[in-house]
Amino acid sequence: SQQGEEDPQALSIQEGENATMNCSYKTSINNLQWYRQNSGRGLVHLILIRSNEREKHSGRLRVTLDTSKKSSSLLITASRAADTASYFCAPLRAGFQKLVFGTGTRLLVSP
Amino acid sequence: SQTIHQWPATLVQPVGSPLSLECTVEGTSNPNLYWYRQAAGRGLQLLFYSVGIGQISSEVPQNLSASRPQDRQFILSSKKLLLSDSGFYLCAWSVAGVVYNEQFFGPGTRLTVL
Repeated sequence: SQQGEEDPQALSIQEGENATMNCSYKTSINNLQWYRQNSGRGLVHLILIRSNEREKHSGRLRVTLDTSKKSSSLLITASRAADTASYFCAPLRAGFQKLVFGTGTRLLVSP
Repeated sequence: SQTIHQWPATLVQPVGSPLSLECTVEGTSNPNLYWYRQAAGRGLQLLFYSVGIGQISSEVPQNLSASRPQDRQFILSSKKLLLSDSGFYLCAWSVAGVVYNEQFFGPGTRLTVL
């Protein structure tokens, strides 16, 4: 299975702190994507990192990818209460057209 | 710009009743389409995906079915709902033939089976 597994399952921090979430997967991938889901809403695509990339930035987001360890991390810097959501990683296997999501990391950012 | 619609937003149905959830995409042609289910506090489970009209791939054996009668319309159905069918149903689309396959999600339908 190419399912990503996020760790930790839940994370609680204060505003201004950094939040780090990790993802591990099992197969060779074409890319790995991170999504955010606010409670009761659909998922929103955050960032995509290709298998030949090691690090990518988007605003306050920083994603790393280590294909040798089959792992990725998502760092949210200077977190805000509005970052409270569930975060999912989704690895995409080369040649496949479907993503398989894990159970996510629930992030709570307190004011 | 592209938009994706799902309806209804919420639905309460008795066990054994039929189900029809609809998803439509605007602003793109020949998208890949997906149905996911999310149980309370859980991750997403891919139910069906489609790469074209009439082409449906089923990921999980169950009492649900999907159809794609038109290019940008994706329907999830059941003849008889089970209690275990309760959950949050999400439709998504992605650009066909593109390697990177970013997915765009609809607002979801919350289904409660009583």
